[in-house]
Amino acid sequence: ELKVEQNPLFLSMQEGKNYTIYCNYSTTSDRLYWYRQDPGKSLESLFVLLSNGAVKQEGRLMASLDTKARLSTLHITAAVHDLSATYFCAVENLANNLFFGTGTRLTVIP
Amino acid sequence: NAGVTQTPKFRVLKTGQSMTLLCAQDMNHEYMYWYRQDPGMGLRLIHYSVGEGTTAKGEVPDGYNVSRLKKQNFLLGLESAAPSQTSVYFCASSYPRGRVRSGELFFGEGSRLTVL
Repeated sequence: ELKVEQNPLFLSMQEGKNYTIYCNYSTTSDRLYWYRQDPGKSLESLFVLLSNGAVKQEGRLMASLDTKARLSTLHITAAVHDLSATYFCAVENLANNLFFGTGTRLTVIP
Repeated sequence: NAGVTQTPKFRVLKTGQSMTLLCAQDMNHEYMYWYRQDPGMGLRLIHYSVGEGTTAKGEVPDGYNVSRLKKQNFLLGLESAAPSQTSVYFCASSYPRGRVRSGELFFGEGSRLTVL
């Protein structure tokens, strides 16, 4: 069964700082997704990474995928309060189902 | 544009009661899913469907049943609710995955179920 691990689980960072969230997975896959969830809300798609070496950027967030290392990163540049949320990575298995990590709860402190 | 709509949004049940969660999507997606979200465990796939009239088990199917009689609807049933089924349930839908098209999921707003 596909296992997806995220770290850290909790992240408190000051505004203006940079940080990276890591997503490791256990079996071969070349499709990975990042989602954002605000408290009590649904999940919003952030990035879709469909091949080794894929890099996507949107505002202060940048996601990358290394399928050989089975690793994706979500890099936060110059954090702002609006980025406070829980971030999930999800990996697609051969049956085309998504397996989610446990999430990283990010709090950006002024 | 409604996207994915779940009803009800909140429900409280007693142990042993039954209920059905309804998911409706207006994006003409082939694939539909039911996930549950529990603290510290991310989202876990309960059942999914790759088309009208088809269903399949996910990671945690026990205690749940599903039906997909119409392409736009996916029902999740609990025949005899247990406290362990207290959770937030999310429905999602997507296009079939292909070489170009991704399997990006579009989620509903969630249904919070409490079983006493």
